[in-house]
Amino acid sequence: NAGVTQTPKFQVLKTGQSMTLQCAQDMNHNSMYWYRQDPGMGLRLIYYSASEGTTDKGEVPNGYNVSRLNKREFSLRLESAAPSQTSVYFCASSAHREDTQYFGPGTRLTVL
Amino acid sequence: AQTVTQSQPEMSVQEAETVTLSCTYDTSESDYYLFWYKQPPSRQMILVIRQEAYKQQNATENRFSVNFQKAAKSFSLKISDSQLGDAAMYFCASRGPRQGGSEKLVFGKGTKLTVNP
Repeated sequence: NAGVTQTPKFQVLKTGQSMTLQCAQDMNHNSMYWYRQDPGMGLRLIYYSASEGTTDKGEVPNGYNVSRLNKREFSLRLESAAPSQTSVYFCASSAHREDTQYFGPGTRLTVL
Repeated sequence: AQTVTQSQPEMSVQEAETVTLSCTYDTSESDYYLFWYKQPPSRQMILVIRQEAYKQQNATENRFSVNFQKAAKSFSLKISDSQLGDAAMYFCASRGPRQGGSEKLVFGKGTKLTVNP
């Protein structure tokens, strides 16, 4: 039981490049989330998915797209990376109507 | 809007001593949950403790306990018998407005705890 896994762990991009961050959970959770963590800002919600086939914007969705591929997987895509998107990205999941979120190990993304 | 405030950017404690981290929150929800997460240098977010708002009794997990003051919207974390492994960033979080059955969390900015030997 791996919990929540994220790939890659580290990534460096140039401005304008695109990439997809992958997240998978093996806990049969319905809800999945993407957060970003910036120094001094705590964690902020980018997008979330209450169930397979549904996605909703969080606090800071601009510049990102998401796909809930199936119940296990929730990906985050940067179409045209900007230096302001340099951050640590966390994926999390929670059981439907259960309030504890479990986090992946994070992806450190640097955009030059 | 849902807000969570941690007024102490940094705290320090001597090994084996007790330390309390502060958190205040604002919510219009009548049914909500509060959490403390620990983030060590490894970056992993680890759940420390959670409190259901409808419960009068303060949650406890081994050396970690909370002081939940619902009327004051205060949710502090007490760490007893501090250990070197407790050194980390600690984040307070509350469950945000319920939409579509998904439970969104709102986080404070964190408190960096240093444990001195």
